[in-house]
Amino acid sequence: DTGVSQDPRHKITKRGQNVTFRCDPISEHNRLYWYRQTLGQGPEFLTYFQNEAQLEKSRLLSDRFSAERPKGSFSTLEIQRTEQGDSAMYLCASSLRDRGYNEQFFGPGTRLTVL
Amino acid sequence: QKEVEQNSGPLSVPEGAIASLNCTYSDRGSQSFFWYRQYSGKSPELIMFIYSNGDKEDGRFTAQLNKASQYVSLLIRDSQPSDSATYLCAVNRNYGGSQGNLIFGKGTKLSVKP
Repeated sequence: DTGVSQDPRHKITKRGQNVTFRCDPISEHNRLYWYRQTLGQGPEFLTYFQNEAQLEKSRLLSDRFSAERPKGSFSTLEIQRTEQGDSAMYLCASSLRDRGYNEQFFGPGTRLTVL
Repeated sequence: QKEVEQNSGPLSVPEGAIASLNCTYSDRGSQSFFWYRQYSGKSPELIMFIYSNGDKEDGRFTAQLNKASQYVSLLIRDSQPSDSATYLCAVNRNYGGSQGNLIFGKGTKLSVKP
């Protein structure tokens, strides 16, 4: 059973560019979450999906951020017109309904640096 | 007041001692509580979760929950240098319910000295 995978692991971009990250959850996990973590802080919730439906989106999430999970499997997170403040680790997690969705398992993360 | 508060540390304990990590939360509607371990440069790893008042033990780890005091703790017995990491406390308002996101504290950095 493979864990959550994320691609790319590192991304360096210039301010104003668009970036897209991919997350592949653990097989059969219904829910998929995106979090962002900056140095010295805990992960901050961005959004989550149950199958292909986006059930919740943080009020802190800028309109420049969009996420999709079109077939209920992998998900993409796009950031448009990146800003230096977007530099962070972007974490994806997944959980399984049969375990009450309680156990969220995190992927290795994508570290974004905006120059 | 932050929703989930932890002492950022560092907390330093000698090898073999008991490490005690504490967390308080502000929302009385919180239903389930989680402890994650995060090594430097790595992603969080779930240690255990608890949703009933009292203690829950798993190997060297014991989670303690007191909803009346809005307090969660994690005890690590026989601490090892490999336990040195940042420990994140997280809460979820609904146990298995519609609100799926976790709210994390900033984490407590634990250092176990040989």
